[in-house]
Amino acid sequence: SYELTQPPSVSVSPGQTARITCSGDALPKKYIHWYQQKSGQAPVLVIYEDNKRPSGIPERFTGSNSGTMATLTISGAQVEDEGDYYCYSTVNETTQGVFGGGTKLTVL
Amino acid sequence: EVQLVESGGDFIQAGRSLRLSCTTFGFTFGDFALSWFRQAPGKGLEWVGLIRNKPYGGTPEYAASVKGRFSISRDDSESVAYLVMDSLKSDDTGVYYCARNRVLMVRGVDYYYMDAWGKGTTVTVSS
Repeated sequence: SYELTQPPSVSVSPGQTARITCSGDALPKKYIHWYQQKSGQAPVLVIYEDNKRPSGIPERFTGSNSGTMATLTISGAQVEDEGDYYCYSTVNETTQGVFGGGTKLTVL
Repeated sequence: EVQLVESGGDFIQAGRSLRLSCTTFGFTFGDFALSWFRQAPGKGLEWVGLIRNKPYGGTPEYAASVKGRFSISRDDSESVAYLVMDSLKSDDTGVYYCARNRVLMVRGVDYYYMDAWGKGTTVTVSS
């Protein structure tokens, strides 16, 4: 089965840059999307199609996909950015979706 | 405003069936695929399946973990999607979310990602 691998946790101080990675096979052939989930809330799309930002998402959120690894970067992380972040893509060349295991971001 | 509202979650015994609904507002339902996801207590997100909209065949796809037990349907006239879960197991316990999907066509394959989510409904399966 196809897997996306994320670090379980990332911790930064306010104002620092947080980087959350997502690795998996065949990333050059895939789009990666990123979701933020705050405690007790539904997920929110923060980056789509590797590096596009939905309206309403702060400019400090950026994404990249180098082909071997996708990265969500939060430049100047804020306390309100704390939460779980999930990368999402599809299994090989199918419509089946798959999430990474999630990364807990702590900003303190 | 785009809204998705899940309902139908319950406390239910293993082996029984349950139907969840996803009622939507604020967008043209027939223009979008809909997905279902779940999250077991303290765990990550899991894709359950999706149903395409009519221009893409209106067909469902399922995760291997639920294929044969779960079925997804949609009623475009009511702007509602459904998830019917049969032969429930304790492992099916969790919060179930529905989400609106955007589609990407790449080399003839339709790929989806979610751009709006409901708040979820809780399913607890007792063994």
